[in-house]
Amino acid sequence: AQTVTQSQPEMSVQEAETVTLSCTYDTSESNYYLFWYKQPPSRQMILVIRQEAYKQQNATENRFSVNFQKAAKSFSLKISDSQLGDTAMYFCAFMVISTDKLIFGTGTRLQVFP
Amino acid sequence: DGGITQSPKYLFRKEGQNVTLSCEQNLNHDAMYWYRQDPGQGLRLIYYSQIVNDFQKGDIAEGYSVSREKKESFPLTVTSAQKNPTAFYLCASSIRGQGRWDNPEAFFGQGTRLTVV
Repeated sequence: AQTVTQSQPEMSVQEAETVTLSCTYDTSESNYYLFWYKQPPSRQMILVIRQEAYKQQNATENRFSVNFQKAAKSFSLKISDSQLGDTAMYFCAFMVISTDKLIFGTGTRLQVFP
Repeated sequence: DGGITQSPKYLFRKEGQNVTLSCEQNLNHDAMYWYRQDPGQGLRLIYYSQIVNDFQKGDIAEGYSVSREKKESFPLTVTSAQKNPTAFYLCASSIRGQGRWDNPEAFFGQGTRLTVV
């Protein structure tokens, strides 16, 4: 069985600072994707960043980057130059390529303060 | 506009009644998913489907049923056997991540808030 663990229920950061959200996962599969999704107060789920497991290079999307450690099964999200609009729930997710099963962690609530 | 539509946005039902939540997508995606979201528990997978006429149980399938008769549609029925059905339900769809260049991305509907009284 696959599991996704987010050990930080809540985080806070001051505007313009950097924050890192943690995620670990457990699987015996070798081919999979990892994602970070953002859920603002509107509750609309938005893809932040995606990482293919076979790629060693860490994915980046503007102010968002990941630290993917495959051996450690760790997939943390770094948000640089935090903005008020980054305030949201952040979910780490995992998709097994062979089954398309997509599972999520319990989420981290991020609050960005002015 | 391509997208995924859930209806209704709010749904109220009496205890003991079955209720069906609608999910329609026009993105031509093969894979579809149903999640339940409760405070502090994240998104828990109820059912998912890789292709028409096929679906698999997720982690919390008890008390729920689905069908996948058309590619565009994946309705979820919350039965009277579900002990605590009041929750926020999210539907999603995605291309299948079968190859290294497929870049799957789940697109989500706006959700349905079900309240059972």
